[in-house]
Amino acid sequence: GEDVEQSLFLSVREGDSSVINCTYTDSSSTYLYWYKQEPGAGLQLLTYIFSNMDMKQDQRLTVLLNKKDKHLSLRIADTQTGDSAIYFCAEGSGGQNFVFGPGTRLSVLP
Amino acid sequence: DAMVIQNPRYQVTQFGKPVTLSCSQTLNHNVMYWYQQKSSQAPKLLFHYYDKDFNNEADTPDNFQSRRPNTSFCFLDIRSPGLGDAAMYLCATSRQGTEQYFGPGTRLTVT
Repeated sequence: GEDVEQSLFLSVREGDSSVINCTYTDSSSTYLYWYKQEPGAGLQLLTYIFSNMDMKQDQRLTVLLNKKDKHLSLRIADTQTGDSAIYFCAEGSGGQNFVFGPGTRLSVLP
Repeated sequence: DAMVIQNPRYQVTQFGKPVTLSCSQTLNHNVMYWYQQKSSQAPKLLFHYYDKDFNNEADTPDNFQSRRPNTSFCFLDIRSPGLGDAAMYLCATSRQGTEQYFGPGTRLTVT
């Protein structure tokens, strides 16, 4: 079945860039998503990329997609303490179901 | 503002006592989802409605049921909650299976 993997933890210093990586197995993935979850809250959609794109930029966020390697990354520029959260990668193949990764806990150190 | 609303935000129930969680949306999305999320884990899909069509995940226990009386509302019924059902329950909506928008979640405690 489909699988999405992420590293579980990342620590960066405030002001540095963060790069969160994700790999997936479903070659028919149509959309790939990044969600942010703060403690005790729901998932907030940050950004998504269509599978025929290789990059998408939205303010401090840059998404890179390597479809050949099935690798997705999220770069957060000028990381702030408010960016501390769990970041979930998810893939969808245009049907109703998403497959979520296990989440990467980002800690931003002052 | 268009959004996904979940009530209550916190629910405490007793072991074996039925409980209902509710979700409403103003996005007019045709797909609604219920997820269970345990601490430090990814959300796990329980079931979803595509319009009125109910789709159950194969490993969702029979103890969990859902109702969608209209486009805007969806309910999660847990018939006999066990201690293992304590979790965050997340509702999400999407239009035709594109990006999903999540509510704030209901944290369920079973005593």
